[in-house]
Amino acid sequence: EPEVTQTPSHQVTQMGQEVILRCVPISNHLYFYWYRQILGQKVEFLVSFYNNEISEKSEIFDDQFSVERPDGSNFTLKIRSTKLEDSAMYFCASSEGVRGDYEQYFGPGTRLTVT
Amino acid sequence: AQTVTQSQPEMSVQEAETVTLSCTYDTSENNYYLFWYKQPPSRQMILVIRQEAYKQQNATENRFSVNFQKAAKSFSLKISDSQLGDTAMYFCAFMKRTGNQFYFGTGTSLTVIP
Repeated sequence: EPEVTQTPSHQVTQMGQEVILRCVPISNHLYFYWYRQILGQKVEFLVSFYNNEISEKSEIFDDQFSVERPDGSNFTLKIRSTKLEDSAMYFCASSEGVRGDYEQYFGPGTRLTVT
Repeated sequence: AQTVTQSQPEMSVQEAETVTLSCTYDTSENNYYLFWYKQPPSRQMILVIRQEAYKQQNATENRFSVNFQKAAKSFSLKISDSQLGDTAMYFCAFMKRTGNQFYFGTGTSLTVIP
């Protein structure tokens, strides 16, 4: 069964550095998402992406974040200047269609540790 | 704003028994979706069951069923004949009919005891 994959599984970076988290969505899916989960807290929506544009974003997704689909398979989340509070698990998801009619398939996550 | 509350951080159940996980939510929306996702240890989240708010009939998927009480804004998950593979973190989630972002609860860690 097709799965969403994410790399790396764990990324350690120093405060102020840029990081890029990578995701490969399921191949026929058109909608892509990033979520994050700070340890012990809720999974929070960051952004959704469709047709090479951001379609929705939360207040968390500020100017330090950006997303890109650089080729036909990858979907990336870039954090420009990491802060300690960016330490979290980041989940990518994809779906065939939009809204709750279509299941979002989640990747296993990337644990980001900012020191 | 939408909020989802799961008041049971941890639960356990004997294998083959039935367990119910609680979820309440708050919204001013009239049309929306509710979901239960399961996250096994070191694995990705997978959809367990989905309910559309305008449907009065409770959703059922094999051993998993929900008790959806729209007026009370309650959406509990019942797992019948619990199996060892049901051990996981369970997240309740809300999505507006017009949106595509989830609002998640904090999760309930369920352990099935042999």
